[in-house]
Amino acid sequence: DTAVSQTPKYLVTQMGNDKSIKCEQNLGHDTMYWYKQDSKKFLKIMFSYNNKELIINETVPNRFSPKSPDKAHLNLHINSLELGDSAVYFCASSQDLREYQETQYFGPGTRLLVL
Amino acid sequence: GQNIDQPTEMTATEGAIVQINCTYQTSGFNGLFWYQQHAGEAPTFLSYNVLDGLEEKGRFSSFLSRSKGYSYLLLKELQMKDSASYLCAAMDSNYQLIWGAGTKLIIKP
Repeated sequence: DTAVSQTPKYLVTQMGNDKSIKCEQNLGHDTMYWYKQDSKKFLKIMFSYNNKELIINETVPNRFSPKSPDKAHLNLHINSLELGDSAVYFCASSQDLREYQETQYFGPGTRLLVL
Repeated sequence: GQNIDQPTEMTATEGAIVQINCTYQTSGFNGLFWYQQHAGEAPTFLSYNVLDGLEEKGRFSSFLSRSKGYSYLLLKELQMKDSASYLCAAMDSNYQLIWGAGTKLIIKP
């Protein structure tokens, strides 16, 4: 059984469109994250949610909005897509953000290409 | 600022030993993680160090020196399947992971 799943795996779209990426975890974890991995392979934290509360919001454009209907889901909605948004987006989860020894488990990634 | 440095690429021979170094600068410190990422796949957890010293886990070991802001990942008896990127990440005082760009390890027969 997949622990952290994301859909879609690949997303090709035009500039200016609005798109969503879905993430679900069945580990019973309290915290979920969204990361962006660019062509240089840096993993950059975008958001994290702990028990449906946004607790880290990095300086990402407000075109990006996380939505968490329940603690097992953290979706990422992107408005007015730009060429620079092309990257791999990873969802991850951990038991508790403040338990420092907690491992983060990653989803398979969503490869977004904006044309 | 916060920063993680690790070599971009390393090459090693099957059956040999390789050490991947990582230096970090963070605001506060709550531990150092190593992840493995095969091409086109998600990162997977390898090790966690929060105290100084060596943690051994099978063929992989990880070392931490907090006073030097330094860690290394040691891979023994290299296998072809170990070809991957190895990501170093330090957790800061806000429990946020600061990631390095990864070291691409190429294993040759």
